Amino acid sequence: QVQLVQSGAEVKEPGASVRVSCEASGFNFANYYMVWIRQAPGQGLEWMGIIDPSGYATSYAQKFRGRITMTRDTSTSTVHMDLRILTSGDTAVYYCVRDNGGYGFDFWGQGTLVTVSA
Amino acid sequence: SYELRQPPSVSVSPRQTATITCSGDSLPHRSAYWFQQKPGLAPVLVIYKETERPSGIPERFSGSISGTTVTLTISEVQAEDEADYYCQSTDSSGAYVIFGGGTKLTVL
Repeated sequence: QVQLVQSGAEVKEPGASVRVSCEASGFNFANYYMVWIRQAPGQGLEWMGIIDPSGYATSYAQKFRGRITMTRDTSTSTVHMDLRILTSGDTAVYYCVRDNGGYGFDFWGQGTLVTVSA
Repeated sequence: SYELRQPPSVSVSPRQTATITCSGDSLPHRSAYWFQQKPGLAPVLVIYKETERPSGIPERFSGSISGTTVTLTISEVQAEDEADYYCQSTDSSGAYVIFGGGTKLTVL
């Protein structure tokens, strides 16, 4: 069965960086775009960006450009999201999600809570 | 910037029909999706391409589109349907993903 298992919760100080990882299984990881979506406490869903199957092409939401990097490793079926220069506004649950094209965001990781606090 | 507009809340009695709307200027031209999210859990896709239902989603969930509004309809609402519901689409270029603000469905 399709599974996306994310790395554990993180606590970071303002100005620091965080990496959230997501290991995929149960499907041919090399064939799918992957996206990252976050959700601040009590708030809605926010799309952060997408990485293509090859890992060579990415597209980021404008508000994150310059401080976000998405990468993937096909050999380990893992996708990573690095976010830099963290502020309290980045406190959120971060989800990795499989993008199944027209069929939508059909599988989600369990979420990773990133807390930014001094 | 482009927005998808949803009502903040909808209330319905058990076994009645709930309708949740989502409005956006690009919806006639871009695919729309619906997600259900229960507290503490990741969202679940319940409708794709406006009207299609993924496998495993109960038949009481259906979607429709009329002009610039897509609608999620839940027939014979059950207590377990109480959740937040989000619509999702892309901007007019198709390059950037947008979510509606979410609708909290309360089953009375």
